[in-house]
Amino acid sequence: QQPVQSPQAVILREGEDAVINCSSSKALYSVHWYRQKHGEAPVFLMILLKGGEQKGHEKISASFNEKKQQSSLYLTASQLSYSGTYFCGTEFYGGSQGNLIFGKGTKLSVKP
Amino acid sequence: GAVVSQHPSRVICKSGTSVKIECRSLDFQATTMFWYRQFPKQSLMLMATSNEGSKATYEQGVEKDKFLINHASLTLSTLTVTSAHPEDSSFYICSASERGNTDTQYFGPGTRLTVL
Repeated sequence: QQPVQSPQAVILREGEDAVINCSSSKALYSVHWYRQKHGEAPVFLMILLKGGEQKGHEKISASFNEKKQQSSLYLTASQLSYSGTYFCGTEFYGGSQGNLIFGKGTKLSVKP
Repeated sequence: GAVVSQHPSRVICKSGTSVKIECRSLDFQATTMFWYRQFPKQSLMLMATSNEGSKATYEQGVEKDKFLINHASLTLSTLTVTSAHPEDSSFYICSASERGNTDTQYFGPGTRLTVL
């Protein structure tokens, strides 16, 4: 049931773009994206509730392809502050509301 | 808005003792609070879901007698690790959903538990 995130890790130079994918083998009700810095709790980025939905948060945006049961997080013109581990948390149809199953994370390192 | 606090942020205890971790929603009422555990370099694993005024729902494999959860009010949930052992050492994180906006979870800063 755990969603699969890819890639596991990515190294970028400042200003470069990245895409992080989150795929599920079960139908998704929602996808939540979080970023976690080392030693800190995850910070909420955005939630996608509807198939086809896209959201943006400055230079970070995400899409939700309900049919493909996947979501992608887009980071454009990356900044040093984007470094961290990105997790997608998924809710499934038929599951308990709010019970998020997290992927294993994607470690993003942005270098100067 | 939507701030969640946890206390303590770090705790070191001896094997066999019990440790209580508090999770508070500071500026909103949280009908539901979630407790996660995260081992080093691993993902967050949901331990249990607690709703104010009712018994917590534990995930499979989580011992409810070992991890006691109490959600006594709309702003406070506690997790007590009873008779802690070194394998319980982990990063414990709570999250809370605001009444009327249950889609978004706000995480507390986490509690680092080390059992010697």
